[in-house]
Amino acid sequence: AQSVTQLGSHVSVSEGALVLLRCNYSSSVPPYLFWYVQYPNQGLQLLLKYTSAATLVKGINGFEAEFKKSETSFHLTKPSAHMSDAAEYFCAVRKSSGNTPLVFGKGTRLSVIA
Amino acid sequence: DTAVSQTPKYLVTQMGNDKSIKCEQNLGHDTMYWYKQDSKKFLKIMFSYNNKELIINETVPNRFSPKSPDKAHLNLHINSLELGDSAVYFCASSQVPNSDTQYFGPGTRLTVL
Repeated sequence: AQSVTQLGSHVSVSEGALVLLRCNYSSSVPPYLFWYVQYPNQGLQLLLKYTSAATLVKGINGFEAEFKKSETSFHLTKPSAHMSDAAEYFCAVRKSSGNTPLVFGKGTRLSVIA
Repeated sequence: DTAVSQTPKYLVTQMGNDKSIKCEQNLGHDTMYWYKQDSKKFLKIMFSYNNKELIINETVPNRFSPKSPDKAHLNLHINSLELGDSAVYFCASSQVPNSDTQYFGPGTRLTVL
């Protein structure tokens, strides 16, 4: 079965500082990995995805994530936080083949301090 | 030109009532989903439909009955509502089953009193 663990339910950074949101996955087969963002009172929006191509994936709004098989990690980073980045971030995994659903982590709330 | 829309946005009701949440997508996608997000923000899939046929049912109580009248709609009917049903319900769609990219609706916040 697939699962993801997001370390830290709440991360707080200063505006302009590095954003690092951690995600570790567990999968019995090669996974596809995703980061979604949820702004207050809105649905989820795809930030970026890893689907077995390049291990460093660039997404929207300056975010990127690196798939590290040896560490079973897919951490999300952004060099410089902006106030508008404050939101809930979800890591998700699913099998790279077959008809299986997305499995989401418990989310990490990012606060950006002025 | 909303891609995935849900109605209502908020729903407050008494225990024991029956209620429905509607979802529509105008993306021409074949697959639609219902997710439940609990008070701790944990998001879990409930159902998935492809071309109006159920393909995923994640051990959801049979009080929950999805209905897909056509590919663009997937409604969720809930019978005999319980306190534990209080959550935010998200509809989503994708081109094909478990496609790389799912598009989410804005959510329906259900509160059972």
